[in-house]
Amino acid sequence: ETGVTQTPRHLVMGMTNKKSLKCEQHLGHNAMYWYKQSAKKPLELMFVYNFKEQTENNSVPSRFSPECPNSSHLFLHLHTLQPEDSALYLCASSRLGGRGPRRTEAFFGQGTRLTVV
Amino acid sequence: AQTVTQSQPEMSVQEAETVTLSCTYDTSESDYYLFWYKQPPSRQMILVIRQEAYKQQNATENRFSVNFQKAAKSFSLKISDSQLGDAAMYFCAYRKGRTYMDSNYQLIWGAGTKLIIKP
Repeated sequence: ETGVTQTPRHLVMGMTNKKSLKCEQHLGHNAMYWYKQSAKKPLELMFVYNFKEQTENNSVPSRFSPECPNSSHLFLHLHTLQPEDSALYLCASSRLGGRGPRRTEAFFGQGTRLTVV
Repeated sequence: AQTVTQSQPEMSVQEAETVTLSCTYDTSESDYYLFWYKQPPSRQMILVIRQEAYKQQNATENRFSVNFQKAAKSFSLKISDSQLGDAAMYFCAYRKGRTYMDSNYQLIWGAGTKLIIKP
């Protein structure tokens, strides 16, 4: 356990459904991230939140909508997804403001395996 | 733009032997960090080892060590005395900067190498 918890672990949804992924961290970190991991491709950074404010949106389609109500919780709201959105969605957190790699190391959750049918 | 390349989609090694996973990267930065992450079937991404670019000494963590060649932009991972629990996907990652307050934590990732351990 790294201190980052994601739910659900698995999710199957139809293209017309609306669902949400949840991420929670109790590490005292102030930055949280959503990554998409597809087979045989590098991880893709989707969204970054620093101190609850979104600072990055890497050209992610609007059918993915993030929400960060506080520094411990992060959501990814999903609606009208496409089959190509099927992937492993990973949440990570880190502490900004430290110096060096150890102080800003990212900790990951176990991911949500999403299948869009 | 920075890129990270892992040229070995899959590697296999006999238990107790040594294996080296390759990683090359491209950057114009002089200060950056490199990481190896492990992702077992449980899917949790776990940090294995880190290297600061300004340090010439290769990082080591128990059975894991790196061969960092800054001029060649190469960052290979050596696993000694391989164990069955080492079986996983291994990802090489790059992060730039030594700024005090990074605005984000943009890791640039390789596509991964699947490591198989033969008993």
